[in-house]
Amino acid sequence: DTAVSQTPKYLVTQMGNDKSIKCEQNLGHDTMYWYKQDSKKFLKIMFSYNNKELIINETVPNRFSPKSPDKAHLNLHINSLELGDSAVYFCASSSRLAGTYEQYFGPGTRLTVT
Amino acid sequence: GENVEQHPSTLSVQEGDSAVIKCTYSDSASNYFPWYKQELGKRPQLIIDIRSNVGEKKDQRIAVTLNKTAKHFSLHITETQPEDSAVYFCAASIRGTYKYIFGTGTRLKVLA
Repeated sequence: DTAVSQTPKYLVTQMGNDKSIKCEQNLGHDTMYWYKQDSKKFLKIMFSYNNKELIINETVPNRFSPKSPDKAHLNLHINSLELGDSAVYFCASSSRLAGTYEQYFGPGTRLTVT
Repeated sequence: GENVEQHPSTLSVQEGDSAVIKCTYSDSASNYFPWYKQELGKRPQLIIDIRSNVGEKKDQRIAVTLNKTAKHFSLHITETQPEDSAVYFCAASIRGTYKYIFGTGTRLKVLA
């Protein structure tokens, strides 16, 4: 009964491949996020969806495409993977409807591009 | 642009001593300031937060203070224990956007 879950936990792939990461939350939240944490531990927001609508889209290469089939799920598809994409990707969720700001993070997906 | 500076980047303290981590934010519209603890290989977890209408908040050994005029907020951990060792992140949320700007993190080591 993990609140925010991600799959896979680890992903090792070669340059040029296309891969997807999935996220699901069972907290009843209406807003979900993707963060990238690089080797220096910097946490940077990439995207956010509120009720399936994209509300935050930071300066991210268009090889990254998020998709939210419903408000409990947010996926991240990455095309033509590059070495610099190696990082830990965290999904998070919060409740905008409740007017609270707390974000709850998933366990992360460690992506290694070789 | 929006920015959150965090200091120090590393901090070592003896068990039982206090630790203080400081953050400065740039956007005066920020109204929510969470602190996250991230243990090695784990997810960031919220440990305490403060809203802009409050100057101080305490939860057992952890306290956060906010100075809106100076745009500073700080995390105070008293009676540190080895299990407090982790990376701590401050963040500021911009009013109306639900977007966090994270600080660069502080690696805290509590020496037994």
